[in-house]
Amino acid sequence: DAMVIQNPRYQVTQFGKPVTLSCSQTLNHNVMYWYQQKSSQAPKLLFHYYDKDFNNEADTPDNFQSRRPNTSFCFLDIRSPGLGDAAMYLCATSIRIGGTSYEQYFGPGTRLTVT
Amino acid sequence: DAKTTQPNSMESNEEEPVHLPCNHSTISGTDYIHWYRQLPSQGPEYVIHGLTSNVNNRMASLAIAEDRKSSTLILHRATLRDAAVYYCILGSWNAGNMLTFGGGTRLMVKP
Repeated sequence: DAMVIQNPRYQVTQFGKPVTLSCSQTLNHNVMYWYQQKSSQAPKLLFHYYDKDFNNEADTPDNFQSRRPNTSFCFLDIRSPGLGDAAMYLCATSIRIGGTSYEQYFGPGTRLTVT
Repeated sequence: DAKTTQPNSMESNEEEPVHLPCNHSTISGTDYIHWYRQLPSQGPEYVIHGLTSNVNNRMASLAIAEDRKSSTLILHRATLRDAAVYYCILGSWNAGNMLTFGGGTRLMVKP
């Protein structure tokens, strides 16, 4: 039944050590998003893919990169995590047809701890 | 981005209706009003959306003011499972459906 799957659910990394979070979907949606949600804050969009087209939010740090090798998978790479990058990372998908996008489906998130 | 204003928190009794308000005085003509909710330790989930007319679905109803500067999400019978943060978000479907989450309202449901 799981539609948007994020692995792992909990990830611990060391300061400065690269880390990759993964997201997969069974919905065949053509748009995938990554959000960052810090403690007691609202989710904040980092970037999204529309098919293979990558769209970065203006204030997303360069430390964050993303890859989408195929429709089903999307990865979030944090090149040199700092303590301030500790957060919940949420993946979401939606279908976009023509110029119209529909509601987003979110995964359960990966909680990243930086030590 | 057009902004929304919501109360930080609200309380409700179980099995009673809940009205969650949202102000969006700078809404543009092409903005839809979206509601998502986030249960504890989960990702957000879509609740409902609307443009001008009131909307109903199996989860909730959305009442939109005639001038569109405010809206109300209505849960007809709150259950303990409805305790969550409810986000009211403006967005245009044809602009990639980007969601800019605001503070949201934390709904507490008392048994």
